[in-house]
Amino acid sequence: SQKIEQNSEALNIQEGKTATLTCNYTNYSPAYLQWYRQDPGRGPVFLLLICENEKEKRKERLKVTFDTTLKQSLFHITASQPADSATYLCALRNSGNTPLVFGKGTRLSVIA
Amino acid sequence: NAGVTQTPKFQVLKTGQSMTLQCAQDMNHNSMYWYRQDPGMGLRLIYYSASEGTTDKGEVPNGYNVSRLNKREFSLRLESAAPSQTSVYFCASNLGRGWEETQYFGPGTRLLVL
Repeated sequence: SQKIEQNSEALNIQEGKTATLTCNYTNYSPAYLQWYRQDPGRGPVFLLLICENEKEKRKERLKVTFDTTLKQSLFHITASQPADSATYLCALRNSGNTPLVFGKGTRLSVIA
Repeated sequence: NAGVTQTPKFQVLKTGQSMTLQCAQDMNHNSMYWYRQDPGMGLRLIYYSASEGTTDKGEVPNGYNVSRLNKREFSLRLESAAPSQTSVYFCASNLGRGWEETQYFGPGTRLLVL
């Protein structure tokens, strides 16, 4: 069966450290993988998209990697801040005309 | 631009009552989606509309109906609400043009069915 697994339901880290979140998928062949941020009481907001031909993508303090052999994406936040505390969701689609499917998310808490 | 708007923000229903959740987008998007989000279950797709005039079932369509009223509006109807439908409902939209399309979400409707 098809699965998207974000292996940590919750992750606590100290301010200033790098947070690393994992997204693994099974029985999908995505050409792109996306990451979203969701704050309590709000809808998810798009952060980054990475293509299967890209090994790594960066945006300010965010970095995403995509390994289609391991079927895994890693999401890094460097120099983390309490304002980075949120739930982070990975998402992918199995073909160009099918809806996005989301992982369950990892709730990140950055402690000052 | 308001983006994706949803009404109401919060609703309490009794078992068996019906209601319609409204969603509208002002970004000229072709595709619209309804998700529900429950603790421990993540976002699950209920129904979607790839373009005006079409609707398709998602992962959890039972107990729901949808209407794509026009390009801007996509409503979700609960004909006979059940406690299992207590959830947070999110509407989303995008241009619907392929692999790299990202999703724009509304603020959500919190529904409690007693």
